[in-house]
Amino acid sequence: DSGVTQTPKHLITATGQRVTLRCSPRSGDLSVYWYQQSLDQGLQFLIQYYNGEERAKGNILERFSAQQFPDLHSELNLSSLELGDSALYFCASSVGTSGRGNEQFFGPGTRLTVL
Amino acid sequence: AQTVTQSQPEMSVQEAETVTLSCTYDTSESDYYLFWYKQPPSRQMILVIRQEAYKQQNATENRFSVNFQKAAKSFSLKISDSQLGDAAMYFCAYRRGAGSYQLTFGKGTKLSVIP
Repeated sequence: DSGVTQTPKHLITATGQRVTLRCSPRSGDLSVYWYQQSLDQGLQFLIQYYNGEERAKGNILERFSAQQFPDLHSELNLSSLELGDSALYFCASSVGTSGRGNEQFFGPGTRLTVL
Repeated sequence: AQTVTQSQPEMSVQEAETVTLSCTYDTSESDYYLFWYKQPPSRQMILVIRQEAYKQQNATENRFSVNFQKAAKSFSLKISDSQLGDAAMYFCAYRRGAGSYQLTFGKGTKLSVIP
């Protein structure tokens, strides 16, 4: 158990819908990262937050957004869902954004299926 | 942009034998980290081993060791005394040493362990 929690574990929804994925980082971790794992794109970085502020953006679609709340949990919002958005979404956390040995610990993931 | 390449989509090894998984990467940075992550059928991402680019000594974690060739931009994982529980997808990942800390992953190698 990495200490990172994600809910829900599975999500099945229809095209055009909107969903919210939730992540709680390890106790004491200030950084949260979101990754998408799909069969065709592999594991891709989406976005990073540090202590409530956006720090880095990767291949995140405009239909997707995220935020990190004062209690440090993070939510990833996916809207106008398409079939191609079906994937495993991981959240990872780390202590900070700098410093050597700043490991990222991954949550169990949320499996999103868009029908 | 940094890229990570794993040229072996699938590999197999006999139980108790040794196997080496290959990874090459491309970067113009001098300060970076390299990782191997394991993803078993449970889909949990588990950190196996980490290598700092500034360290010449190859990292070792129990049965897992790496061969880090900085000039060749090569980072292979050696698993000794393979066990059935080693069967999983293995991902090589790159992270910059400063700035944004997102991970860039290779496509993965599926390792099967034959009893």
